[in-house]
Amino acid sequence: KQEVTQIPAALSVPEGENLVLNCSFTDSAIYNLQWFRQDPGKGLTSLLLIQSSQREQTSGRLNASLDKSSGRSTLYIAASQPGDSATYLCAVPGSNDYKLSFGAGTTVTVRA
Amino acid sequence: EAGVTQFPSHSVIEKGQTVTLRCDPISGHDNLYWYRRVMGKEIKFLLHFVKESKQDESGMPNNRFLAERTGGTYSTLKVQPAELEDSGVYFCASSLLDRSGETQYFGPGTRLLVL
Repeated sequence: KQEVTQIPAALSVPEGENLVLNCSFTDSAIYNLQWFRQDPGKGLTSLLLIQSSQREQTSGRLNASLDKSSGRSTLYIAASQPGDSATYLCAVPGSNDYKLSFGAGTTVTVRA
Repeated sequence: EAGVTQFPSHSVIEKGQTVTLRCDPISGHDNLYWYRRVMGKEIKFLLHFVKESKQDESGMPNNRFLAERTGGTYSTLKVQPAELEDSGVYFCASSLLDRSGETQYFGPGTRLLVL
């Protein structure tokens, strides 16, 4: 059974600082890993999807890395802004199916 | 292109009542998933449709939950009778059938409160 852990649970930084969010998973036989953002009272927005064959994926100020063998992914957000305040979730599908296992999330607050 | 939509956005019902949640996936997406997040817990998988067929319903909590996907289009999730522990946020997601790896697109969720 896939277990996904996210550290830290919460993070507060001043505007402009870089953010580093960690995700670890127990079963390395994954198809891909997906990072989501959730704003309070809202749904999930997909940020990045990294295929198992990739080591990195970038979108604007966001960069996600994947080390499948060690069961880790890191989401970097450069030059954080107050609008980046949200909960960030990572999720991986099972080795034989597409159902996602989610971490509990990291709640980020960027102070102006 | 419209995203995944869910209705209602919020529902408050009393224990013992019935509630039906609806999800409209992105047009053309064969895969449809239901997930839920109960208070203080991670988002958990409930079930997966491929077109109108249930592919995996291993996450359904018990037989008070019934999901359908008529004609392979929209899906409904009925809870009957609702219990207090059913309170939470119910998310629907959809994706293209793509075995090389796929992005699941999530709807805004239905917030269910059972009193």
